[in-house]
Amino acid sequence: QVVLTQSPSASASLGGSVKLTCTLSSGHSNNAIAWHQQQPEKGPRYLMRVNSDGSHSKGDGIPDRFSGSSSGAERYLTISSLRSEDEADYYCQTWGTGIRVFGGGTKVTVL
Amino acid sequence: QVQLQESGPGLVKPSETLSLTCTVSGGSISWYYYWSWIRQPPGKGLEWIGYIYNDGYTKYNPSLKSRVTISVDTSQKQFSLKLNSVTAADTATYYCARDQGIEPAAFDMWGLGTMVTVSS
Repeated sequence: QVVLTQSPSASASLGGSVKLTCTLSSGHSNNAIAWHQQQPEKGPRYLMRVNSDGSHSKGDGIPDRFSGSSSGAERYLTISSLRSEDEADYYCQTWGTGIRVFGGGTKVTVL
Repeated sequence: QVQLQESGPGLVKPSETLSLTCTVSGGSISWYYYWSWIRQPPGKGLEWIGYIYNDGYTKYNPSLKSRVTISVDTSQKQFSLKLNSVTAADTATYYCARDQGIEPAAFDMWGLGTMVTVSS
């Protein structure tokens, strides 16, 4: 069954950029994934889906500062021009055989 | 704009049944989407519980399958979660979400969540 692996934490400076990685387990490198943001004390918010070819489509109202890309079994979320409100947990998510799967999440700190 | 709202008791006793309802507004529950329940224990990550389609078809997380039932009432635009034989490990914020149903089955709309504590 598919497993998604994320680094527990990442940090970058205000105004800078950060690239988060979500790695698909062996045999699932063609899966598309979705990225979700969870700000402190709030519910998750859908950001975008990222396909295996690197194309991505964002949810309603998601700023251009957020972009997605792909390489092999890795799916990326890049946040540019970091703002304080980007400090949050970011989860990747995909589907398996009749199930839905989340990665463990990456906590982004804006320095 | 579709909105989802969870409702139900915030406190459940051990060994009893947790029951929550999600009400969908601003759109139809009978479209081609799936409707999921997801939970998040305090300080931990997200865990998918299960989904239902508008025809009643369900699929559950294997780790919870023996205790979970999800049902739908399309006339009320609601879907519900029942989790029986709860323990302290079921203490979590419970979210309902709209599931696109096609790869990657992204949850593109989320409720605000409701905290459920299991305690005597």
